Amino acid sequence: DVKVTQSSRYLVKRTGEKVFLECVQDMDHENMFWYRQDPGLGLRLIYFSYDVKMKEKGDIPEGYSVSREKKERFSLILESASTNQTSMYLCASSLQADGYTFGSGTRLTVV
Amino acid sequence: QKEVEQNSGPLSVPEGAIASLNCTYSDRVSQSFFWYRQYSGKSPELIMSIYSNGDKEDGRFTAQLNKASQYVSLLIRDSQPSDSATYLCAVSAYSGGGADGLTFGKGTHLIIQP
Repeated sequence: DVKVTQSSRYLVKRTGEKVFLECVQDMDHENMFWYRQDPGLGLRLIYFSYDVKMKEKGDIPEGYSVSREKKERFSLILESASTNQTSMYLCASSLQADGYTFGSGTRLTVV
Repeated sequence: QKEVEQNSGPLSVPEGAIASLNCTYSDRVSQSFFWYRQYSGKSPELIMSIYSNGDKEDGRFTAQLNKASQYVSLLIRDSQPSDSATYLCAVSAYSGGGADGLTFGKGTHLIIQP
């Protein structure tokens, strides 16, 4: 089975900090995605990537950036964390021909 | 703006009955459709994908697609308490869902009553 690993299950950060969320997949998938999930708002796409060093903005990229230096790793960066970025962050990966496999999620609290 | 609509529920179904979950989508060019199950506090898990009009069966699950009506449904036969979860419908304009990211509905909360 594909495994998508997110480095932290829970994180607490202070307003203004730079935050790195790491995601690693072990099945050589081309596609990787970052979503955030909030009650009442559902899953919203932040950024995605189809290849090393390639990135595309999703629906809500403001306040975020990403890095994909290696095929298996896709990092989400909060340049200056704010309280409205408190959320569950979900990483996913996929091949072209099927749906996503999600990581277990990182619950980020910004205080 | 692509939209995927689901009734948030909760949908309460007796154990052993058929649970019927519905989803409509706004983008007519959508080609790939997925159902995910999400238990409380866990990440979504893919349970069904469907790409062509009609029915697709996998065990107790049947996905139904009607592109003319822009409608996708999921039937769960012989519902079990372990099926109690939030079910997310997801849609993509591309085959396989890979090209532009999936658009998710907000989910239907299903409760199976023992």
